[in-house]
Amino acid sequence: DTGVSQDPRHKITKRGQNVTFRCDPISEHNRLYWYRQTLGQGPEFLTYFQNEAQLEKSRLLSDRFSAERPKGSFSTLEIQRTEQGDSAMYLCASSSPVADLLNYGYTFGSGTRLTVV
Amino acid sequence: GDSVTQMEGPVTLSEEAFLTINCTYTATGYPSLFWYVQYPGEGLQLLLKATKADDKGSNKGFEATYRKETTSFHLEKGSVQVSDSAVYFCALPGGDSWGKLQFGAGTQVVVTP
Repeated sequence: DTGVSQDPRHKITKRGQNVTFRCDPISEHNRLYWYRQTLGQGPEFLTYFQNEAQLEKSRLLSDRFSAERPKGSFSTLEIQRTEQGDSAMYLCASSSPVADLLNYGYTFGSGTRLTVV
Repeated sequence: GDSVTQMEGPVTLSEEAFLTINCTYTATGYPSLFWYVQYPGEGLQLLLKATKADDKGSNKGFEATYRKETTSFHLEKGSVQVSDSAVYFCALPGGDSWGKLQFGAGTQVVVTP
């Protein structure tokens, strides 16, 4: 297993365009998380899936953001009508239930850096 | 809500110097506490954790002790190396049962030869 994979690593888009990011978690992990990290700040929670069910969404996740995890495997995060304020690193993490509850041993991906120009 | 506050960086040190990064927390009860590290170009990695008061987490020469009397979880290393250059994040659970983490703003550490 190669860990948590995110694609693309970098994305530059014009304001108003839609973008979609993909996250492939560790195969045996049933929990998947999306975080956003802006320059000089720690990661901020966006949303969380257990298998295919999206169980929680942060108020940071406006109507322009949508996340899916069909079949409980990979996940996508789509941003519609991007704004310059959306520029950030988007991090995906996964965990198994035992690690999650006992150790919070998230495995993070390397992130997708979005730049909106 | 629960939160953590970290000392601001960057912290610049010479190799073999002693490193301390301060972290204080605000929480109801006594949550588990974590330090994550982010090396350049990589994702965050769990560095160490402590699950109850007075516990000491340790890994790769780093240590942190869970102090409930001062609500602190300071990270220390006795002799840093250039390879320790990274951003360090203090974190605690966000108060829910399913594993959301609340991170501090991060402290960049730069170790020079």
